[in-house]
Amino acid sequence: EVKLVESGGGLIQPGGSLRLSCAASGFTVSTNYMSWVRQAPGKGLEWVSVIYSGGSTYYADSVKGRFTISRDNSKNTLYLQMNSLRVEDTAVYYCAREAGSGYYYVNYWGQGTLVTVSA
Amino acid sequence: QPVLTQSSSASASLGSSVKLTCTLSNGHSSYIIAWHQQQPGKAPRYLMKLEASGTYNKGSGVPDRFSGSSSGADRYLTISNLQSEDEADYYCETWGSNTHGVFGGGTKLTVL
Repeated sequence: EVKLVESGGGLIQPGGSLRLSCAASGFTVSTNYMSWVRQAPGKGLEWVSVIYSGGSTYYADSVKGRFTISRDNSKNTLYLQMNSLRVEDTAVYYCAREAGSGYYYVNYWGQGTLVTVSA
Repeated sequence: QPVLTQSSSASASLGSSVKLTCTLSNGHSSYIIAWHQQQPGKAPRYLMKLEASGTYNKGSGVPDRFSGSSSGADRYLTISNLQSEDEADYYCETWGSNTHGVFGGGTKLTVL
């Protein structure tokens, strides 16, 4: 059974840093395309970042230069390092697995972790 | 890059059927999309992949009441025999050559 469990969210001041983790089970993170998607309170879904199986990474313009996606193959875990956090980064962050094989849509979602950026 | 347009809200009676629409922007009518359901206070759940031909492939455990269809740039999600637990936000998703995770604005479905 595919399972994604996020952790690391919390309350952080503007300008601060936070690292989110996503522990995967039932499949291998390193052989899949893995994304982070966020949802601000009362808003829709916003794609944040993706890491390809080959290691290439891509980011939404809103987080480029501030966020870094990575993975630890030995722990089968995905990460999102978030620096220079802004109030507008406040959201629930979901870890997601993409379908792969040329299809870049999410077919598994984690339960999410809440990040609140506030003074 | 593709843009997905959804109505902000829809409503239908318990036990009836409802058809939700996701419209692809000009030049992107051949694109595959995915449908996701988000019940109140919960994480999104993948429902199905839907192709321009109308062929759809559902995720594990998705009830038979959920089906997909296509017409031109429109992608549809039909829910039959509506249940109270179907009250949720429904999002469509696609991707572009230079971008992942293109989401529609979501449709809030109310079951009357």
